[in-house]
Amino acid sequence: GAVVSQHPSRVICKSGTSVKIECRSLDFQATTMFWYRQFPKQSLMLMATSNEGSKATYEQGVEKDKFLINHASLTLSTLTVTSAHPEDSSFYICSADLAGGTQYFGPGTRLTVL
Amino acid sequence: GENVEQHPSTLSVQEGDSAVIKCTYSDSASNYFPWYKQELGKRPQLIIDIRSNVGEKKDQRIAVTLNKTAKHFSLHITETQPEDSAVYFCAASIGTGAGKSTFGDGTTLTVKP
Repeated sequence: GAVVSQHPSRVICKSGTSVKIECRSLDFQATTMFWYRQFPKQSLMLMATSNEGSKATYEQGVEKDKFLINHASLTLSTLTVTSAHPEDSSFYICSADLAGGTQYFGPGTRLTVL
Repeated sequence: GENVEQHPSTLSVQEGDSAVIKCTYSDSASNYFPWYKQELGKRPQLIIDIRSNVGEKKDQRIAVTLNKTAKHFSLHITETQPEDSAVYFCAASIGTGAGKSTFGDGTTLTVKP
């Protein structure tokens, strides 16, 4: 099956710093990837759709200047949380759509902002 | 946009019993309905899916049914086992390409040994 990796798995940073999270499709090319945020015991909240070679499409209420998304190649999308604050602490998960709607998820990144 | 509602939010069953989780969707254009299982601290993984041209699909102890007219679909797990304990998410999307999915709020299933 399709494999999606995510790095780092955990990150702790100080308030005001920026954090970059990488999402890679290891055995297929993904023109579209998705970034989600998940709070404890809650559902997956779609933040943005990452499109290779073009600008990301952000969901309503998600600050595009705070959550920078770059999809530089068919196998890599990055999410940068800029000027992170404690309220940005969360579980961030990426996914890639192989074909026909099935999404393959990365293992997630646990971000803790002190 | 699409709205997916999932019930119940928590479900506790005895080992060996069946579990049923139900979802409704609002956009009649949705035609792809996957179910994901997420264990604590891990990624969601696809367990079964169904497309709108099919009314039912089964894979061993897991089955999904779809009623397009009523816009609802359900996950059925028979002969539940403790390892079935997890959070289950339903989703709806227009599965013709890399379209985004709308997820339900999840159901925490606990199977008591």
